[in-house]
Amino acid sequence: EAGVVQSPRYKIIEKKQPVAFWCNPISGHNTLYWYRQNLGQGPELLIRYENEEAVDDSQLPKDRFSAERLKGVDSTLKIQPAELGDSAVYLCASSNRAPNPDTQYFGPGTRLTVL
Amino acid sequence: RKEVEQDPGPFNVPEGATVAFNCTYSNSASQSFFWYRQDCRKEPKLLMSVYSSGNEDGRFTAQLNRASQYISLLIRDSKLSDSATYLCVVSNDYKLSFGAGTTVTVRA
Repeated sequence: EAGVVQSPRYKIIEKKQPVAFWCNPISGHNTLYWYRQNLGQGPELLIRYENEEAVDDSQLPKDRFSAERLKGVDSTLKIQPAELGDSAVYLCASSNRAPNPDTQYFGPGTRLTVL
Repeated sequence: RKEVEQDPGPFNVPEGATVAFNCTYSNSASQSFFWYRQDCRKEPKLLMSVYSSGNEDGRFTAQLNRASQYISLLIRDSKLSDSATYLCVVSNDYKLSFGAGTTVTVRA
């Protein structure tokens, strides 16, 4: 079974430029998460989707970040405009309600560098 | 105060040694507890769930103390391949909160 797929794996952009990340979760997983992981820290949740509905976006900086999950499968996370402090690894994860909804499977992440 | 606090280490141990470390969590209503493993520049992967009664998975033993709100992980007979960062994770209503991780380096 294929795991969570993310692209691109690496992205280098100038500040104030837009950037987008794409995620394809494990087939059949209803729940999709976007996390940001800064160097030396654990992942921090940005947004959680149940199917196509964003059920928790309280930690998403909505002035510059947006996300969508059309048709409840793939998801895109966008930053516009990017700031220096956005440099981090952006991780996508998915889970299924059964047998254990707490078990999340992570993709390899997108490493973003903002210059 | 962070929701999950861990000793960052690093713990530098020889092969075959036993290493143990803890984390503490602040939300007493937390429902589920886990240890994830993260190799350098890789994604986190579930190592094991943690139960109140304590549980083992091969050389790994996890304990949960709800009264004191701490979770522990013990690795016996350490292998070189155990070198990684171990993330303590606490769940509340399916929202995972991660600690910053404890780095373990096993040397030959």
